[in-house]
Amino acid sequence: SSELTQDPTVSVALGQTVRITCRGDSLRGYYASWYQQKPGQAPILLIYGKNNRPSGIPDRFSGSTTGDPPSLTITGAQAEDEADYYCSSRDSSGNHLIFGGGTKLTVL
Amino acid sequence: QVQLQESGPGLLKPSETLVLTCSVSGYPVTSGYYWGWIRQSPDKRLEWIGHIYENGNTYYEPSLKNRVTISMDTSKNQFSLKVTSVTAADTAVYYCARVGFRYSSPFVDYWGQGTSLTVSS
Repeated sequence: SSELTQDPTVSVALGQTVRITCRGDSLRGYYASWYQQKPGQAPILLIYGKNNRPSGIPDRFSGSTTGDPPSLTITGAQAEDEADYYCSSRDSSGNHLIFGGGTKLTVL
Repeated sequence: QVQLQESGPGLLKPSETLVLTCSVSGYPVTSGYYWGWIRQSPDKRLEWIGHIYENGNTYYEPSLKNRVTISMDTSKNQFSLKVTSVTAADTAVYYCARVGFRYSSPFVDYWGQGTSLTVSS
């Protein structure tokens, strides 16, 4: 399969923990990377590899590589975390990048 | 600080050719990363178009491969995207980006601000 599937919408109460998942056959062989996108802005990288965070990304963002499916966890969601979240990885052939359809996170 | 900036036309007619250029500052395009193009359609879906390595090796999304060429000008620290025979389906925001790999798994750590393309007669 060359697809990554995400839940279209997820909501979380302010200060609570939320998990955003990414499903796809290729994720059995490759790690997912995770991106946050706010309206009118380019995506920014949140998580890559084995739960690596680029500098400047708050530690409330973490990635799970164990279990099935891979997920992005936000521990103690803030109002500013309301955004679209995308996962990405390689396709099953290993030669191409693919993105999930995105999850719109609402912070209540 | 790595910065990427796209430039190109905002409007094309069907069947025309799109050429976008990405100017990179703060990092040489010849230093170990891939440099690629990603687009985002009006329904907000992200689509990888392809990327190029410093040795000229290119990788393309299979559905676009016949119409797409990515090239690099190391003397200008730039890379470019060419898409032939555009249609309305190519209407999107186009991002240039730096692509890396960790444990053979890709990530995009720097993105341009994006340039909007509309294809309409």
